[in-house]
Amino acid sequence: QSVLTQPPSESGTPGQRVTISCSGSSSSVGNNFVYWYQQLPGTAPKLLLHRNNERPSGVPDRFSGSKSGTSASLAISGLRSEDEGDYYCATWDDRLSGPVFGGGTKVTVL
Amino acid sequence: QVHLRESGPGLVKPSETLSLICSVSGDSISNSDSYWGWIRQPPGKGLEWIGSLYYTGSAYYSPSLEGRVTISLDTSKNQFSLNLTSLTAADTAIYYCAREPYHAGACWFDLWGQGTLVTVSS
Repeated sequence: QSVLTQPPSESGTPGQRVTISCSGSSSSVGNNFVYWYQQLPGTAPKLLLHRNNERPSGVPDRFSGSKSGTSASLAISGLRSEDEGDYYCATWDDRLSGPVFGGGTKVTVL
Repeated sequence: QVHLRESGPGLVKPSETLSLICSVSGDSISNSDSYWGWIRQPPGKGLEWIGSLYYTGSAYYSPSLEGRVTISLDTSKNQFSLNLTSLTAADTAIYYCAREPYHAGACWFDLWGQGTLVTVSS
């Protein structure tokens, strides 16, 4: 069972906005930056957002993140078919003294 | 451009030791301020941090794997390695190596290898 809780799946039609939630605790999300990873089918994970809402070079501004208290969320606006895949939130856990990942959310484009 | 590539056996027997190597090109492990990490993903499941290594040789391990895992540097080959002992079927996973700009207080892996599938079976 993951330290961070994500919904197993979310879906939307092309052009829609999809939001993925990530729930943690005071020792994880509540006290540290949140990171988001995208894993497209059959590929390695890719860093999507770092430090809650900063996009690495090459990541479209359709992807945005936010954090409030012990929860965070990833929003994908203007959903596209190539966005279909798994999305993981991640952070540092002070009690475990190490990085932790959420269980992942599968995004389906209908 | 920095690239990471994992190599090692695809099949290992239970109770044996897994040894994987991550070869880094485009960046020097010994001159970089980065950490270098290992993450695994059981088939159809989520990601699990295994451990991380600083260029000085200081290593940090997941509490759930500590005692079975060792990560070390080979600066002459610009590689770092993972050793995992006493394998069981639960260790079957895709193993990824990754670059980690910061370690303490972060889960920041900015570059990943393609991953290598390791199956533990007799």
